[in-house]
Amino acid sequence: KAGVTQTPRYLIKTRGQQVTLSCSPISGHRSVSWYQQTPGQGLQFLFEYFSETQRNKGNFPGRFSGRQFSNSRSEMNVSTLELGDSALYLCASSFSGLRDEQFFGPGTRLTVL
Amino acid sequence: DQQVKQNSPSLSVQEGRISILNCDYTNSMFDYFLWYKKYPAEGPTFLISISSIKDKNEDGRFTVFLNKSAKHLSLHIVPSQPGDSAVYFCAASKPGGGADGLTFGKGTHLIIQP
Repeated sequence: KAGVTQTPRYLIKTRGQQVTLSCSPISGHRSVSWYQQTPGQGLQFLFEYFSETQRNKGNFPGRFSGRQFSNSRSEMNVSTLELGDSALYLCASSFSGLRDEQFFGPGTRLTVL
Repeated sequence: DQQVKQNSPSLSVQEGRISILNCDYTNSMFDYFLWYKKYPAEGPTFLISISSIKDKNEDGRFTVFLNKSAKHLSLHIVPSQPGDSAVYFCAASKPGGGADGLTFGKGTHLIIQP
């Protein structure tokens, strides 16, 4: 079956702009979670959605938001971009949630100039 | 404050020998632990998990040991193979998830020498 797909794979934005990243989970998976990976901080949990509801949210500012659609596809939005938002954003899906085996996408590399 | 620590940024092991990757945690609320492997330019891949009600879990060449009193877990790979060369992440979660969701260590880069 098809894996988790993320679009776009690469993105360059300037400070102050906003960005929307998309994630298509594996068919049948209802949980989608998002992570930010940076060299300094490693992998940090952003939020998890399950059946269109945000179930868990990490300690990120309100500029980071997300949503999940009825087909389980998810989007993540970052508003008023800052230089420090430059990172690899990973999406993962699973049947039941964070403790289940999560399948990760290849990530979206965001560069903020 | 890092709640999950992998103190060895890298580890070099000879092919065929045992690889032991370590992970320490500080939050006693964590009750479920997972290991993920990551190759360059790919997303992490799930390896193995363990609940705090157990102290050992095996899956083929991979065994995870949990020492709750020491707040320490380790991943053993026996025998190590060239394809095991990757970055390994330890992750932990609390009941109900919450703001921590899944907390990852910063990873250990395992290099298997031929």
